[in-house]
Parts: sequence; C-alpha cells; structure tokens
Amino acid sequence: AQSVTQLGSHVSVSEGALVLLRCNYSSSVPPYLFWYVQYPNQGLQLLLKYTSAATLVKGINGFEAEFKKSETSFHLTKPSAHMSDAAEYFCAVYTGTASKLTFGTGTRLQVTL
Amino acid sequence: DTAVSQTPKYLVTQMGNDKSIKCEQNLGHDTMYWYKQDSKKFLKIMFSYNNKELIINETVPNRFSPKSPDKAHLNLHINSLELGDSAVYFCASSQLRGALTDTQYFGPGTRLTVL
Repeated sequence: AQSVTQLGSHVSVSEGALVLLRCNYSSSVPPYLFWYVQYPNQGLQLLLKYTSAATLVKGINGFEAEFKKSETSFHLTKPSAHMSDAAEYFCAVYTGTASKLTFGTGTRLQVTL
Repeated sequence: DTAVSQTPKYLVTQMGNDKSIKCEQNLGHDTMYWYKQDSKKFLKIMFSYNNKELIINETVPNRFSPKSPDKAHLNLHINSLELGDSAVYFCASSQLRGALTDTQYFGPGTRLTVL
C-alpha cells in the first residue's frame, strides 16, 4: 500500500529563514509525488510535482523539492520564507497500482517576524 | 473568474437531514472529484467522474451519491446525515481522464457541520 508521512504537523520559521518541510513516502512501485498548499479558507493549490523526470523539481513561489529514492523522501524547501508562505502544506503520492492520490496529514507553516 | 466553485460555502444542518453540495468548473476539464477533509486535516478522495461517467468510487457509505449532469458539474448528495459526516468537502477537476498525476484544481471547500 502507498502512503506518505509528513514529519511535524507544525513548523515555525522566521521571515527570511530556510523553510524545510519533510515528506517520506512508502510505495512498492515508482511513485509520482506532489506538494500542495492550502491557504486559510481556500482549496488546495499545486506547488510542484515529481513524475520521474528530474529529481530536483522547481515549483511556484520559489519552492523546490528533491526526490531521493534511497531515503524515500520528497522534502519541500524554500531558501527564504515570506510571511505570505504561511499555510498548510500537503504531500501526496500516486502510484498506478493504487490508482488514487494519497495525501499526508499536512504541515502547518507559521512565519514569524 | 472562479475556476472551480462550490455552493454553499458553509452548511449547518441537523442529523437525519438530506443535503446537497454543488460544484462547477469552467476550465473545460473532463474529470471531476470529491474529497473529504476531516477535522485533523486528513484529505481523502471519495469519487471521481470523467465526462459524466463514474471512474473512482472509494469506500464511502451509500448515503453519499454523486451526480454529474454534465462534465462541468459534479454534485454531492448526502442522505440521512450523521455527526461523522461533519467535514470540509472539496471539489476538484483535472484535464485528463482518470490521470491522478495530472494537476488537480480545487474549489474553496464546503464546511459541513452536522448537529
């Protein structure tokens, strides 16, 4: 069965600091991996996705994620946090065998002055 | 110009009632989805339709019935509401048939509270 685990339900960083949100996946076949962001009272928006091309994926708003098969990880990073990055972030995995997108439980990012 | 819209935004109702949530997308996509997000933010797919055809039907109570009058609309009807149905329901759409790797565009959600 496929699954994702997001370490840390809540992460707080200072404005201008590095953002690191962790995601580990479990899949018996090569996965497709996604990061979605949910701003308060809004739906989810795709940040980036890995579909077996380049292992370093660049997304919107300066975010990027690196697929590391040996570590079964797909951590999300941004060099410098901005107040507008405060939101809930969801990692998700898709494999053809399960034929569905499975989401992690989310990480709330807080950005402080 | 809202891409995926849902009505109502908030829905408060009593146990045992029947209610519907409507979803419309103006992106010209062929596939639409319903997701349920519980109080712990866990998000799970419920249904998926492609051009009015049901293609994903996860294990949900048969009190939940999706209806797609055309490919731009996917409504969710819930019979005999229970306390455990309280959640935020998200509609989404994507361009490709059943391709969950395709980017999904989400609506703003409907917060259902069952008293």
